[in-house]
Amino acid sequence: QSVLTQPPSVSAAPGQKVTISCSGSSSNIGINYVSWYQQLPGTAPKLLIYDNNKRPSGIPDRFSGSKSGTSATLGITGLQTGDEADYYCGTWDTSLSALYVFGTGTKVTVL
Amino acid sequence: VQLVESGGGLVKPGGSLRLSCAASGFTFISYSLNWVRQAPGKGLEWVSSISSSSSYIYYADSVKGRFTISRDNAKNAVHLQMNSLRVDDTAVYYCAREVGGSGRMDVWGTGTMVTVSS
Repeated sequence: QSVLTQPPSVSAAPGQKVTISCSGSSSNIGINYVSWYQQLPGTAPKLLIYDNNKRPSGIPDRFSGSKSGTSATLGITGLQTGDEADYYCGTWDTSLSALYVFGTGTKVTVL
Repeated sequence: VQLVESGGGLVKPGGSLRLSCAASGFTFISYSLNWVRQAPGKGLEWVSSISSSSSYIYYADSVKGRFTISRDNAKNAVHLQMNSLRVDDTAVYYCAREVGGSGRMDVWGTGTMVTVSS
């Protein structure tokens, strides 16, 4: 059972904006960097955002990340049909022992 | 820059399997490596992590005591020995490179399927 909570699904029309929340706690998001991953159908996950708000080379600036307290948010603007995918947040959790945790995942649908 | 997993397959409950992940195109000893799995139709689940020098090793509670992660820096490979396999270990297992404990998994393999069934 994941300790990071995301909405199961979000949707919007092409060109619109969506945001995905990731809610955690003081032992994970509260003290560690958050990454976001995109998983297109039938493929391996791909790093989208790291260190809360940085984009790897090649990731368009339509994708953005932010963090406040024990929550993080992924934003996607100018939504495209190719953005239809599952999105996961992830971070280290250092409560009792170190372990990495992923969010529950959010399915983005382009209407 | 590439990670290629191998070793997946069909195994009976209680059996064992050894997964391998071969790395190429980057300085292997500079990175931590992780195993992440995904059961059919489910989300991502982190399994295990090993630091560059093998000094730090971590496991998810669900696999602790049954799985062992190791790496061979001379051969640019990381392994996952899986014992006492259970039906709920059935998943695609991904190998992922992590930048120095930052939580940033920036390179992923394509995965290898493990099916535990009688």
